[in-house]
Amino acid sequence: GQNIDQPTEMTATEGAIVQINCTYQTSGFNGLFWYQQHAGEAPTFLSYNVLDGLEEKGRFSSFLSRSKGYSYLLLKELQMKDSASYLCAVRDAGNTGKLIFGQGTTLQVKP
Amino acid sequence: DGGITQSPKYLFRKEGQNVTLSCEQNLNHDAMYWYRQDPGQGLRLIYYSQIVNDFQKGDIAEGYSVSREKKESFPLTVTSAQKNPTAFYLCASSTSARTGTVSGANVLTFGAGSRLTVL
Repeated sequence: GQNIDQPTEMTATEGAIVQINCTYQTSGFNGLFWYQQHAGEAPTFLSYNVLDGLEEKGRFSSFLSRSKGYSYLLLKELQMKDSASYLCAVRDAGNTGKLIFGQGTTLQVKP
Repeated sequence: DGGITQSPKYLFRKEGQNVTLSCEQNLNHDAMYWYRQDPGQGLRLIYYSQIVNDFQKGDIAEGYSVSREKKESFPLTVTSAQKNPTAFYLCASSTSARTGTVSGANVLTFGAGSRLTVL
C-alpha cells in the first residue's frame, strides 16, 4: 500500500526554525517533493530529493533518508508569510510521473 | 508568461448535472494531471495523461471523465455518477512523464484550482 504521514498542524514563532517531518511507505520510490500551498491557491514547488542527504535552498532545506523512509523540511528565520500548508509527495516508480501526496501540514507562524 | 489556466475558479452545480472543468497549459508539457483536494486530506489523483490521445485512471477515477485531444488541454468532466463532487480540483502538468534525473526534472506545475460546490 501507499502511505505518507505528516503532522496535521504545527505552530512556530516568527524568526524561529521549524522542522516538518514526513514518513513514507510506498511500493516504489523515484524522488520526494515538498510543495507549499497557501489557502485556496495552487501548490508551489519547494524542493526535490532523490538521493540521501540535505538539499539547501535559501531559508528552506530538505533532507531525505531512503533507508528510513523519512524526510524533513526545515524552515529557518520564519516569516509570517510562511504560514501555509506544506505538502510532502513521493514520485511513483516507473515512468508515469505520478505524485502521491501526504495530507499536508498546516503551519501557523505567530508574531 | 507560461503557465496553467484553470476555469472556472468557482462553480456551482445542481445534483444530477454534469460539469466540465477546463485546464489549459502553454508550457509545452507532455504530461497533465487532475487532482482532487478535500479538507484535511492530501491531493488524490483522478486521471493523468502522458501524451496526446492517451490517458489513465488515477486512484479515484469513478464518476469522472477526461479527454486529451490537444497537448495544451486536459478538461475534466465531473459526472452525475460522482457521489460527493464538492471539492477543490487542481490541474497540473510536467515536462515529461518519464523518470527524472538527479537534477529533479519533471516538477509538477499546478494551476490555481477550481472549487466545485454541489447545491
